[in-house]
Amino acid sequence: KNEVEQSPQNLTAQEGEFITINCSYSVGISALHWLQQHPGGGIVSLFMLSSGKKKHGRLIATINIQEKHSSLHITASHPRDSAVYICAVSPSDSGGGADGLTFGKGTHLIIQP
Amino acid sequence: ETGVTQTPRHLVMGMTNKKSLKCEQHLGHNAMYWYKQSAKKPLELMFVYNFKEQTENNSVPSRFSPECPNSSHLFLHLHTLQPEDSALYLCASSSRRAGEQYFGPGTRLTVT
Repeated sequence: KNEVEQSPQNLTAQEGEFITINCSYSVGISALHWLQQHPGGGIVSLFMLSSGKKKHGRLIATINIQEKHSSLHITASHPRDSAVYICAVSPSDSGGGADGLTFGKGTHLIIQP
Repeated sequence: ETGVTQTPRHLVMGMTNKKSLKCEQHLGHNAMYWYKQSAKKPLELMFVYNFKEQTENNSVPSRFSPECPNSSHLFLHLHTLQPEDSALYLCASSSRRAGEQYFGPGTRLTVT
């Protein structure tokens, strides 16, 4: 079983709809990351959070540490939001130094005009 | 421009070839990472370097050999690869432990 689970795997919605992508994890973490990957492969970091809620433009990320769950919301979705959204965690049991990320499989989002 | 560059962007190599992937970051970060993205699988961590010292090797086969000569440059030397090694190889950097990571555009590798 993957340490980071995302749902749904695929999501198609109409422009303007409110989008929610969920992420659950099974390990202790120091931070959770939401990433966006466009066709061609480039990855952009959207959020890094360890508690509460963050907002950037139309994107909102929340995390519940007790429940080991995070959500990414997109308000007023637009076709340019079409991409793969990836949840990743920085495990908290690393012995020191830099931490590599552990990733979910990603959610493939398509927003139709 | 993300501040992290990778070359080449595309590479086709035979199983007996030796090639190297290069990553360079212009962000003043201390940590650099190699990740592998295969079709239909999650991204996988390969190697972590912190202040030029390797701090993680995620059970990667020895046909992949990383090198970090300084905090700005990271290489992945490839030799006698297998077709299943075909994937997108991504480099990333961060300023500190568990910090926000900045990714390069990746190298699309095909092993024939």
